[in-house]
Amino acid sequence: EAGVTQFPSHSVIEKGQTVTLRCDPISGHDNLYWYRRVMGKEIKFLLHFVKESKQDESGMPNNRFLAERTGGTYSTLKVQPAELEDSGVYFCASSQGPGPLAGITGELFFGEGSRLTVL
Amino acid sequence: AQSVTQLGSHVSVSEGALVLLRCNYSSSVPPYLFWYVQYPNQGLQLLLKYTTGATLVKGINGFEAEFKKSETSFHLTKPSAHMSDAAEYFCAVILGPFYTGTASKLTFGTGTRLQVTL
Repeated sequence: EAGVTQFPSHSVIEKGQTVTLRCDPISGHDNLYWYRRVMGKEIKFLLHFVKESKQDESGMPNNRFLAERTGGTYSTLKVQPAELEDSGVYFCASSQGPGPLAGITGELFFGEGSRLTVL
Repeated sequence: AQSVTQLGSHVSVSEGALVLLRCNYSSSVPPYLFWYVQYPNQGLQLLLKYTTGATLVKGINGFEAEFKKSETSFHLTKPSAHMSDAAEYFCAVILGPFYTGTASKLTFGTGTRLQVTL
């Protein structure tokens, strides 16, 4: 069974440009999360989808970030326009139940992350 | 509010030596606690978790952690390090059983990179 896949693995863009990150969750997982790790700091929550609905987007830093999950399958995270402080690794995770307390496996499955470098 | 502190961004041990990675948390309610590991070029993988019940929890690859409420700690240990344990380890917390919200936001520490030497 395929795990959580993220694309691209690494993106280098200039300040002011637009980047779109994609996440394909594990098939059948209704819950999809985005997290971000800025260099050397902690991994921080960005938002949580349940199917196509945004359950919690309290971690989104500002309105330059737009996340979508049309059809409740894959998700995209667009940064427009990108700023220097947006550089970091963006992780996607999915689970069958509501997060790490899911009744079935109790586990979030993470992708390898998309490294974004803004110059 | 909840937070996680991992002491030591880098830890180096010899192969066969004890591994001890420290994690302290603060939480307004009893927490659920997790350790995740990220091997090179891979995603985060759950090592172990504490929710309720036995405070000593065992995870994959011989790791274990003990929840100590009085010390607000959840340190990760392994009796004998192996070269394959070299990775970055993250402690994380989520609001525990008294949390009635629907969101499930993990709060992570800054990570500890473990180096294993011969």
